[in-house]
Amino acid sequence: QKEVEQNSGPLSVPEGAIASLNCTYSDRGSQSFFWYRQYSGKSPELIMFIYSNGDKEDGRFTAQLNKASQYVSLLIRDSQPSDSATYLCAVRLYSSASKIIFGSGTRLSIRP
Amino acid sequence: NAGVTQTPKFQVLKTGQSMTLQCAQDMNHNSMYWYRQDPGMGLRLIYYSASEGTTDKGEVPNGYNVSRLNKREFSLRLESAAPSQTSVYFCASSEVTSGGRETQYFGPGTRLLVL
Repeated sequence: QKEVEQNSGPLSVPEGAIASLNCTYSDRGSQSFFWYRQYSGKSPELIMFIYSNGDKEDGRFTAQLNKASQYVSLLIRDSQPSDSATYLCAVRLYSSASKIIFGSGTRLSIRP
Repeated sequence: NAGVTQTPKFQVLKTGQSMTLQCAQDMNHNSMYWYRQDPGMGLRLIYYSASEGTTDKGEVPNGYNVSRLNKREFSLRLESAAPSQTSVYFCASSEVTSGGRETQYFGPGTRLLVL
């Protein structure tokens, strides 16, 4: 089992709709969770960090964390064509506190 | 404030050649990382350094060595390059703020082609 799993997509969402991206992790004690956006040919950019159960909102982005079920999700409201990118989920492992491990990413396409 | 810088941006090697990828950060971060990203895939951790003077293996360390030269610099060495090491290599640094928020910043990447 991979330590961090994401659906590779592509996920196609109409402009203005809500895009929902999901991520599960296997290290039950993990405390810190990250969402990155990566445009083609560019480096990843951190867009959300969450460590408490529940929701964290930042502009059009909401991260949701459920430690009991070991999943973290990212919601993008009012999706724009500029949101088309690959979204990477990452987890700081409890078993090795300095390791940040990534999922394989979900490709998101916003159709006009 | 340049953030995380990497050199070179692009490199072509022949099988068996060696090279060192350089990474430096000017944000005074303790932790630094080397990842590789293959087409259509996420990032896989090669090595990381939690602080100056320490290094640890990540998910895919075979064929690589690292040096944390000082707090700013973290280099990745390929002793005998193989075609399987063709990839994009990203260096990153991270820190935990006083408020408990974590940040991780990436360099622009090095595209390596091994023939």
